[in-house]
Amino acid sequence: EPEVTQTPSHQVTQMGQEVILRCVPISNHLYFYWYRQILGQKVEFLVSFYNNEISEKSEIFDDQFSVERPDGSNFTLKIRSTKLEDSAMYFCASSRPDKNTEAFFGQGTRLTVV
Amino acid sequence: AQSVTQPDIHITVSEGASLELRCNYSYGATPYLFWYVQSPGQGLQLLLKYFSGDTLVQGIKGFEAEFKRSQSSFNLRKPSVHWSDAAEYFCAGKDSSYKLIFGSGTRLLVRP
Repeated sequence: EPEVTQTPSHQVTQMGQEVILRCVPISNHLYFYWYRQILGQKVEFLVSFYNNEISEKSEIFDDQFSVERPDGSNFTLKIRSTKLEDSAMYFCASSRPDKNTEAFFGQGTRLTVV
Repeated sequence: AQSVTQPDIHITVSEGASLELRCNYSYGATPYLFWYVQSPGQGLQLLLKYFSGDTLVQGIKGFEAEFKRSQSSFNLRKPSVHWSDAAEYFCAGKDSSYKLIFGSGTRLLVRP
């Protein structure tokens, strides 16, 4: 069964450093997403991406964040200068372009900023 | 504003007992609704979804959910809980956009 894969599973970084979280969405999906879950809190939407551009973003997704589809298979989330409060589980998801379809989630990358 | 509410933070049931996890939504129109499960250290797995049609939807692992428009609810049920069902359960909704709005989750504990 096709699945969304994320690497790395864990990332520890120092405050102020740049991190790139990587995702390989399901191959025939065209919508891509990043969500985050701070420990003990709800899953929050960050950004959706379609046709090589951001289609929607939340207020969390400020100038420190960027997304990219550098090739035909990968989808990345970059945090330019990490802060302690960026520590969270980051989930990548993908879906078909139909409205009535579900998003499939990866296993997540746990980011710890120290 | 759109929202999804799960009023129960924790629920404990005995193995073999029935389960109902509550979910309420607030949207301008009927949203698409989902239940996801997250086992410790794992990602989010889709249990079931509601788009339209039959208000009782069946999912994986013996779960079902009933959409009730009059109550703005989409409660998740299982007739007999297994120890392996212990996890965190998230209700989520989306409207005409592609953004999912999640509830705060309900942690299910199963007593042997």
